Amino acid sequence: GAVVSQHPSWVICKSGTSVKIECRSLDFQATTMFWYRQFPKKSLMLMATSNEGSKATYEQGVEKDKFLINHASLTLSTLTVTSAHPEDSSFYICSASTRRANQPQHFGDGTRLSIL
Amino acid sequence: AQTVTQSQPEMSVQEAETVTLSCTYDTSESDYYLFWYKQPPSRQMILVIRQEAYKQQNATENRFSVNFQKAAKSFSLKISDSQLGDAAMYFCAYRIYQGGGADGLTFGKGTHLIIQP
Repeated sequence: GAVVSQHPSWVICKSGTSVKIECRSLDFQATTMFWYRQFPKKSLMLMATSNEGSKATYEQGVEKDKFLINHASLTLSTLTVTSAHPEDSSFYICSASTRRANQPQHFGDGTRLSIL
Repeated sequence: AQTVTQSQPEMSVQEAETVTLSCTYDTSESDYYLFWYKQPPSRQMILVIRQEAYKQQNATENRFSVNFQKAAKSFSLKISDSQLGDAAMYFCAYRIYQGGGADGLTFGKGTHLIIQP
């Protein structure tokens, strides 16, 4: 089956630093990638949708300048949490999809981000 | 806006028994997809089953089946012969169909399924 690799799986960093999370589709061309956020014991909330070669579309309430998304190729999207603060601590999950509507999204294994 | 509601925060079932997880959704669209995802403690999202709204036949995958009632906007998951490995959070999810895969999923709040040996 399709494989999506997300890296790192866990990161701890100091408040004020920026953290980059990578999402790679390993065996298919991901024209669209999605970034979700999950708080402990909560559901997944869609943060943004990125299409290869164009600007990401952010959901309402998600700060564009805080969460920078780049989707420069058909196999790689990155999420950069800028000037991270403790309230940004969360579990971030990416998923990848092709343009075919009947294909499911393929999820990465997620990144646990802890800001001290 | 679309919403997905899972009214059961937690369900418990004896091993080998059958359990049904509920999900309702609200949408004004006629074409869409519905999914059930399983999230074990590893937090990996695993697709259990999916249903295309235009198909009347309920989807089945081995021990997992759905009861899709489009008019009632209901999409329940039935797990037969429950196994210890089925213990996990189960999320119902919705995705609009717009001729492409470029739409994110809307998730319900999840149901924590406990399997008692």
